[in-house]
Amino acid sequence: AQSVTQLGSHVSVSEGALVLLRCNYSSSVPPYLFWYVQYPNQGLQLLLKYTTGATLVKGINGFEAEFKKSETSFHLTKPSAHMSDAAEYFCAVSDSGGYQKVTFGTGTKLQVIP
Amino acid sequence: GAVVSQHPSRVICKSGTSVKIECRSLDFQATTMFWYRQFPKQSLMLMATSNEGSKATYEQGVEKDKFLINHASLTLSTLTVTSAHPEDSSFYICSARPGGSGNTIYFGEGSWLTVV
Repeated sequence: AQSVTQLGSHVSVSEGALVLLRCNYSSSVPPYLFWYVQYPNQGLQLLLKYTTGATLVKGINGFEAEFKKSETSFHLTKPSAHMSDAAEYFCAVSDSGGYQKVTFGTGTKLQVIP
Repeated sequence: GAVVSQHPSRVICKSGTSVKIECRSLDFQATTMFWYRQFPKQSLMLMATSNEGSKATYEQGVEKDKFLINHASLTLSTLTVTSAHPEDSSFYICSARPGGSGNTIYFGEGSWLTVV
Protein backbone atom coordinates (compact mmCIF):
# COMPACT_ATOMS: atom_id res chain seq x y z
CA ALA A 1 0.00 0.00 0.00
CA GLN A 2 1.14 3.51 -0.64
CA SER A 3 0.01 6.95 0.37
CA VAL A 4 1.00 10.57 0.07
CA THR A 5 0.57 13.40 2.54
CA GLN A 6 0.92 16.99 1.46
CA LEU A 7 1.21 19.40 4.34
CA GLY A 8 -0.71 22.59 3.75
CA SER A 9 -3.57 22.77 1.31
CA HIS A 10 -2.75 26.41 0.64
CA VAL A 11 0.64 28.11 0.56
CA SER A 12 1.21 31.80 -0.09
CA VAL A 13 4.57 33.29 -0.98
CA SER A 14 5.69 36.66 -2.21
CA GLU A 15 7.01 37.01 -5.73
CA GLY A 16 10.73 36.32 -5.63
CA ALA A 17 10.56 34.34 -2.40
CA LEU A 18 11.45 30.71 -1.87
CA VAL A 19 8.77 28.17 -2.67
CA LEU A 20 8.62 25.07 -0.46
CA LEU A 21 5.84 22.54 -0.87
CA ARG A 22 6.00 19.57 1.45
CA CYS A 23 5.31 15.96 0.59
CA ASN A 24 5.71 12.83 2.67
CA TYR A 25 5.03 9.39 1.36
CA SER A 26 4.45 5.89 2.58
CA SER A 27 5.31 2.89 0.49
CA SER A 28 6.01 -0.74 1.22
CA VAL A 29 8.39 -0.96 -1.72
CA PRO A 30 10.96 1.46 -3.15
CA PRO A 31 8.86 4.27 -4.50
CA TYR A 32 8.82 6.31 -7.62
CA LEU A 33 7.86 9.88 -6.77
CA PHE A 34 6.36 12.64 -8.87
CA TRP A 35 5.30 16.23 -8.70
CA TYR A 36 2.57 17.45 -11.02
CA VAL A 37 1.21 20.94 -11.57
CA GLN A 38 -2.36 21.74 -12.52
CA TYR A 39 -3.33 25.16 -13.80
CA PRO A 40 -6.98 26.21 -13.52
CA ASN A 41 -9.31 24.18 -15.71
CA GLN A 42 -6.45 22.17 -17.17
CA GLY A 43 -5.02 18.69 -16.89
CA LEU A 44 -1.85 17.73 -15.09
CA GLN A 45 1.66 18.46 -16.24
CA LEU A 46 4.66 16.56 -14.95
CA LEU A 47 7.13 18.83 -13.17
CA LEU A 48 9.68 16.22 -12.19
CA LYS A 49 10.08 12.64 -11.08
CA TYR A 50 12.40 10.50 -9.01
CA THR A 51 12.94 6.89 -9.95
CA THR A 52 16.46 5.84 -9.04
CA GLY A 53 19.90 7.41 -8.85
CA ALA A 54 20.52 11.00 -7.85
CA THR A 55 18.25 12.03 -5.03
CA LEU A 56 18.11 15.69 -6.06
CA VAL A 57 15.89 15.93 -9.08
CA LYS A 58 15.58 18.99 -11.27
CA GLY A 59 12.42 19.65 -13.22
CA ILE A 60 10.86 22.20 -15.47
CA ASN A 61 10.30 25.86 -14.65
CA GLY A 62 13.15 25.95 -12.13
CA PHE A 63 11.62 23.49 -9.69
CA GLU A 64 13.55 20.76 -7.95
CA ALA A 65 12.85 18.14 -5.31
CA GLU A 66 15.00 15.99 -3.08
CA PHE A 67 14.22 12.40 -2.21
CA LYS A 68 15.08 11.73 1.42
CA LYS A 69 14.51 8.12 2.25
CA SER A 70 15.24 8.51 5.96
CA GLU A 71 12.55 11.17 6.21
CA THR A 72 10.22 9.60 3.63
CA SER A 73 9.97 13.02 2.07
CA PHE A 74 10.02 14.52 -1.41
CA HIS A 75 9.63 18.26 -0.90
CA LEU A 76 9.35 20.57 -3.89
CA THR A 77 11.33 23.81 -3.97
CA LYS A 78 12.00 26.76 -6.20
CA PRO A 79 14.42 29.53 -5.21
CA SER A 80 12.36 32.43 -6.53
CA ALA A 81 8.61 32.38 -7.11
CA HIS A 82 7.07 33.87 -10.22
CA MET A 83 3.49 34.95 -10.64
CA SER A 84 3.10 32.24 -13.27
CA ASP A 85 3.82 29.58 -10.64
CA ALA A 86 0.40 30.10 -9.08
CA ALA A 87 -1.31 26.75 -9.53
CA GLU A 88 -2.16 23.57 -7.70
CA TYR A 89 0.64 21.09 -7.11
CA PHE A 90 0.20 17.39 -6.56
CA CYS A 91 2.74 14.99 -5.15
CA ALA A 92 2.32 11.39 -6.23
CA VAL A 93 3.83 7.99 -5.60
CA SER A 94 3.87 4.76 -7.51
CA ASP A 95 5.50 1.47 -6.80
CA SER A 96 8.71 0.87 -8.68
CA GLY A 97 7.76 -2.65 -9.58
CA GLY A 98 5.04 -3.09 -12.13
CA TYR A 99 4.06 0.56 -12.04
CA GLN A 100 0.37 0.20 -12.52
CA LYS A 101 -1.05 2.72 -10.15
CA VAL A 102 -0.26 6.25 -9.08
CA THR A 103 -1.52 7.58 -5.77
CA PHE A 104 -1.92 11.32 -5.48
CA GLY A 105 -1.77 13.62 -2.51
CA THR A 106 -4.59 16.03 -1.84
CA GLY A 107 -2.77 18.90 -3.50
CA THR A 108 -1.33 22.24 -2.43
CA LYS A 109 -2.60 25.42 -3.94
CA LEU A 110 0.23 27.91 -4.37
CA GLN A 111 -0.59 31.59 -4.31
CA VAL A 112 2.05 34.10 -5.38
CA ILE A 113 1.63 37.59 -4.02
CA PRO A 114 3.02 40.46 -6.08
CA GLY B 1 6.93 15.22 -24.94
CA ALA B 2 4.19 12.72 -25.52
CA VAL B 3 0.67 14.03 -25.98
CA VAL B 4 -2.57 12.70 -24.62
CA SER B 5 -5.76 14.29 -25.83
CA GLN B 6 -9.22 14.13 -24.32
CA HIS B 7 -12.49 14.94 -25.99
CA PRO B 8 -14.75 16.64 -25.25
CA SER B 9 -13.16 19.12 -22.91
CA ARG B 10 -16.55 20.17 -21.60
CA VAL B 11 -19.90 18.47 -21.86
CA ILE B 12 -23.29 19.11 -20.38
CA CYS B 13 -25.84 16.33 -20.43
CA LYS B 14 -29.29 15.74 -19.06
CA SER B 15 -29.85 13.50 -16.11
CA GLY B 16 -30.50 9.93 -17.20
CA THR B 17 -28.56 10.14 -20.45
CA SER B 18 -25.15 8.68 -21.24
CA VAL B 19 -22.03 10.52 -22.24
CA LYS B 20 -18.77 9.26 -23.73
CA ILE B 21 -15.33 10.74 -23.12
CA GLU B 22 -12.43 9.81 -25.35
CA CYS B 23 -8.77 9.60 -24.42
CA ARG B 24 -6.23 9.36 -27.20
CA SER B 25 -2.48 9.01 -27.16
CA LEU B 26 -1.44 11.03 -30.18
CA ASP B 27 2.16 10.07 -30.70
CA PHE B 28 2.69 6.84 -28.84
CA GLN B 29 1.03 3.53 -28.21
CA ALA B 30 -0.41 3.06 -24.77
CA THR B 31 -1.04 -0.45 -23.58
CA THR B 32 -2.32 0.96 -20.31
CA MET B 33 -4.51 3.96 -19.68
CA PHE B 34 -5.90 5.22 -16.41
CA TRP B 35 -9.08 7.10 -15.65
CA TYR B 36 -9.34 9.51 -12.73
CA ARG B 37 -12.02 11.79 -11.42
CA GLN B 38 -11.47 14.93 -9.49
CA PHE B 39 -14.13 16.66 -7.44
CA PRO B 40 -13.76 20.38 -6.82
CA LYS B 41 -10.91 21.20 -4.46
CA GLN B 42 -10.00 17.55 -4.07
CA SER B 43 -7.30 15.28 -5.36
CA LEU B 44 -7.46 12.87 -8.21
CA MET B 45 -9.01 9.53 -7.46
CA LEU B 46 -8.20 6.57 -9.65
CA MET B 47 -11.34 5.03 -11.06
CA ALA B 48 -10.00 2.26 -13.23
CA THR B 49 -7.06 0.92 -15.16
CA SER B 50 -7.71 0.22 -18.79
CA ASN B 51 -5.67 -2.37 -20.64
CA GLU B 52 -5.82 -2.68 -24.39
CA GLY B 53 -7.79 -5.69 -25.48
CA SER B 54 -8.97 -6.72 -22.05
CA LYS B 55 -11.45 -5.71 -19.39
CA ALA B 56 -10.72 -2.71 -17.25
CA THR B 57 -9.77 -3.09 -13.62
CA TYR B 58 -11.96 -0.94 -11.41
CA GLU B 59 -11.05 0.51 -8.06
CA GLN B 60 -13.10 -0.37 -5.04
CA GLY B 61 -16.32 1.58 -4.89
CA VAL B 62 -16.44 2.41 -8.60
CA GLU B 63 -19.48 0.99 -10.36
CA LYS B 64 -18.30 -0.85 -13.44
CA ASP B 65 -21.78 -0.91 -14.94
CA LYS B 66 -22.09 2.83 -14.61
CA PHE B 67 -18.64 3.79 -15.80
CA LEU B 68 -17.99 1.73 -18.90
CA ILE B 69 -14.42 1.68 -20.09
CA ASN B 70 -13.33 0.42 -23.46
CA HIS B 71 -9.72 0.26 -24.65
CA ALA B 72 -10.18 -1.04 -28.16
CA SER B 73 -6.87 0.10 -29.61
CA LEU B 74 -3.40 1.08 -28.46
CA THR B 75 -4.21 4.76 -28.87
CA LEU B 76 -7.80 5.07 -27.69
CA SER B 77 -9.67 4.46 -24.47
CA THR B 78 -13.21 5.63 -23.82
CA LEU B 79 -15.14 6.24 -20.63
CA THR B 80 -18.92 6.16 -20.88
CA VAL B 81 -20.93 7.49 -17.99
CA THR B 82 -24.27 5.73 -18.23
CA SER B 83 -27.52 7.04 -16.81
CA ALA B 84 -25.73 10.10 -15.56
CA HIS B 85 -26.89 11.88 -12.43
CA PRO B 86 -25.93 15.31 -11.10
CA GLU B 87 -23.59 13.71 -8.57
CA ASP B 88 -21.55 12.37 -11.49
CA SER B 89 -20.64 15.94 -12.38
CA SER B 90 -16.89 16.08 -12.06
CA PHE B 91 -13.58 16.57 -13.82
CA TYR B 92 -12.48 13.35 -15.50
CA ILE B 93 -8.84 12.94 -16.47
CA CYS B 94 -7.16 10.14 -18.31
CA SER B 95 -3.51 9.25 -18.41
CA ALA B 96 -1.50 6.93 -20.57
CA ARG B 97 1.81 5.19 -20.29
CA PRO B 98 3.93 4.41 -23.34
CA GLY B 99 4.79 0.76 -23.43
CA GLY B 100 8.35 -0.12 -22.56
CA SER B 101 9.63 3.38 -22.00
CA GLY B 102 9.87 3.60 -18.26
CA ASN B 103 7.45 4.99 -15.80
CA THR B 104 6.50 8.39 -17.11
CA ILE B 105 2.80 8.77 -17.61
CA TYR B 106 1.15 11.54 -19.52
CA PHE B 107 -2.14 13.16 -18.67
CA GLY B 108 -4.88 14.43 -20.89
CA GLU B 109 -6.32 17.89 -20.52
CA GLY B 110 -9.34 16.60 -18.66
CA SER B 111 -13.05 16.68 -19.39
CA TRP B 112 -15.57 18.65 -17.39
CA LEU B 113 -18.87 16.82 -17.11
CA THR B 114 -21.93 18.66 -15.87
CA VAL B 115 -25.14 16.71 -15.46
CA VAL B 116 -28.25 18.84 -15.24
